[in-house]
Amino acid sequence: EADIYQTPRYLVIGTGKKITLECSQTMGHDKMYWYQQDPGMELHLIHYSYGVNSTEKGDLSSESTVSRIRTEHFPLTLESARPSHTSQYLCASTKPGQGYNEQFFGPGTRLTVL
Amino acid sequence: AQKVTQAQTEISVVEKEDVTLDCVYETRDTTYYLFWYKQPPSGELVFLIRRNSFDEQNEISGRYSWNFQKSTSSFNFTITASQVVDSAVYFCALLAARGSTLGRLYFGRGTQLTVWP
Repeated sequence: EADIYQTPRYLVIGTGKKITLECSQTMGHDKMYWYQQDPGMELHLIHYSYGVNSTEKGDLSSESTVSRIRTEHFPLTLESARPSHTSQYLCASTKPGQGYNEQFFGPGTRLTVL
Repeated sequence: AQKVTQAQTEISVVEKEDVTLDCVYETRDTTYYLFWYKQPPSGELVFLIRRNSFDEQNEISGRYSWNFQKSTSSFNFTITASQVVDSAVYFCALLAARGSTLGRLYFGRGTQLTVWP
């Protein structure tokens, strides 16, 4: 069973606030990913990381930023939240080696910006 | 370009019925991988299966079975004797070999399966 954690699970905040969504995994996985998922829609990759100090933007344009200072930690930050950021954010990781291994997902953070 | 199409947005069945979820993919790569994930109401995605493009053998795992056909670019998922606990959104996903170092997945829009008692 995968050990990947996300906090908070639910967050309701006002416009303009700065927020950080936490993602941690204890499996020593090198690759980590952030997906955004709107209700009834597919997952879109917004950020990914090959390893420490490596981060890249994904397919879907996002105003969020990420950092990877430690292998196990991959937080996502929104400097100024807006209602358009309301969505579910899912973090995932893949074990070392070729990337075609399955991705393990965290429980997600449901963000609502008022 | 990589693309996954799940034409069935919602499916409702009664318990014990068999149900098949369709997945059609597009890729120009000759080496690729296909995945199915389950997303229960709790929100996390649960990995179900991975197949590579060179292995067209169908697979069965308990009540679950998968039919991979390269000729029609399909990777369909069948649940036999469905149960209420099978109610979830099911996602099909594609990973092309050229992106394998990254492990970038392309997801379909998902199929919401509801199993009624």
